[in-house]
This record gives sequence, structure tokens and C-alpha cells, in this order.
Amino acid sequence: NAGVTQTPKFQVLKTGQSMTLQCAQDMNHEYMSWYRQDPGMGLRLIHYSVGAGITDQGEVPNGYNVSRSTTEDFPLRLLSAAPSQTSVYFCASSLSAPINQETQYFGPGTRLLVL
Amino acid sequence: AQTVTQSQPEMSVQEAETVTLSCTYDTSESNYYLFWYKQPPSRQMILVIRQEAYKQQNATENRFSVNFQKAAKSFSLKISDSQLGDTAMYFCAFMRQAYQGAQKLVFGQGTRLTINP
Repeated sequence: NAGVTQTPKFQVLKTGQSMTLQCAQDMNHEYMSWYRQDPGMGLRLIHYSVGAGITDQGEVPNGYNVSRSTTEDFPLRLLSAAPSQTSVYFCASSLSAPINQETQYFGPGTRLLVL
Repeated sequence: AQTVTQSQPEMSVQEAETVTLSCTYDTSESNYYLFWYKQPPSRQMILVIRQEAYKQQNATENRFSVNFQKAAKSFSLKISDSQLGDTAMYFCAFMRQAYQGAQKLVFGQGTRLTINP
């Protein structure tokens, strides 16, 4: 198993540009989520999905969209990039729905710089 | 709201020594989960160990063990026989009982651990 994979590893954007951060997992996990990591602030939940076709907002969803058309993929879209979105983005997945409190597995991260 | 506090921004020990990383948390809930994650320079978040709040027995995973004090809301990580590969940022994290569908981890600020040869 490749686990959780993310592309690209690093990206530079100009303010106002849009882009999609890719996330895929090959563990047949139902639950997937996106976090951003900023210095001194730990990780914060952006969006999450409990299964294909089902998504919901996390703690800091503004400026981001997600979709979950398949179990394997959970892309994160930046609609109009802003410097405040400069961060490291982590995708995570777990086997089942929240009620089972499954351990989350993280991808390697995508470092995004918005100029 | 739940909060997680790691009071040691940085620690440094010699290889083969034992080191303990501190973590305290604040919650009014009785059923929850606690985790330690390791983030090496590659930036990938790696699960080190997990503890269920309803279990009195401390979790262990090879050289890693925790001291879980529920009444004191303390969850420290002990690394025995430390190795150079243990050099990383370590995050303590809290996850509450499922609430409104979000399986949200609340992270501490992290402790940067350096193992010196």
C-alpha cells in the first residue's frame, strides 16, 4: 500500500490564482480530511468527508472547496488564493466513520506559498 | 473547548538516553482519545501511540510509552533508548467523542526533539 499520497509537494501561487491539491489513499478508508499547519498553531481542520459523495466543513473552511466523487480521492480546491493561505496542507484518512474513533493516517504534506 | 498544551518547545538529549515529553489537555468530556504524532523533517505526520481515555492501562509501543493521568489531564510520552531517527517534532493530540460528524483532532503546539550522537 502507498498509504496516503499528496501532490504536489510544493507550489507557489500568485494572489487570485486557483489550484487543486490532490489527495489519494489506497487503504479503502471511508473517512478523509484536510488540515492546514501554521507555525505555533498546530493543525486545523479545513474540510472532511465521511464517504464518497459526502463532505462537510471543519474549523477553517473559508476559501476552500472539496468534493469526494470516489472513495480513493479527496481533492482540495483553492478558489482564489490569498497570502493568508500560505501554509502546509495535510490530507488524512481513517478506516471508518467518526463514531468508531479510528486512527488517522497522514499524507506527506503539500507546502503552499501564495505571493 | 478542548485545548492541548505542550509546555516544552524544544528538548535535546544524547543518543540512548530516555526522554519524556509533556502534554496536558483540558476537556469536560469523559470519553476521548489521545495521540502522539511524530513529524520528521520530511513533514509527514506519523502516528506514534494512541490512548483511549476509558483504559487505565498505559499504552506502549516498543520504545514508546505513555503516562496517562486522567484526573490530572496529563499525557506524557516516554522514549526509551533514544535513537538518532527519533529526531523530529512531536505533537500531542486530543480527539473527542464523535460530535456533529467531525472527527477532529486538536493538536498541541509541538515539541522539537533533537537526539544528539
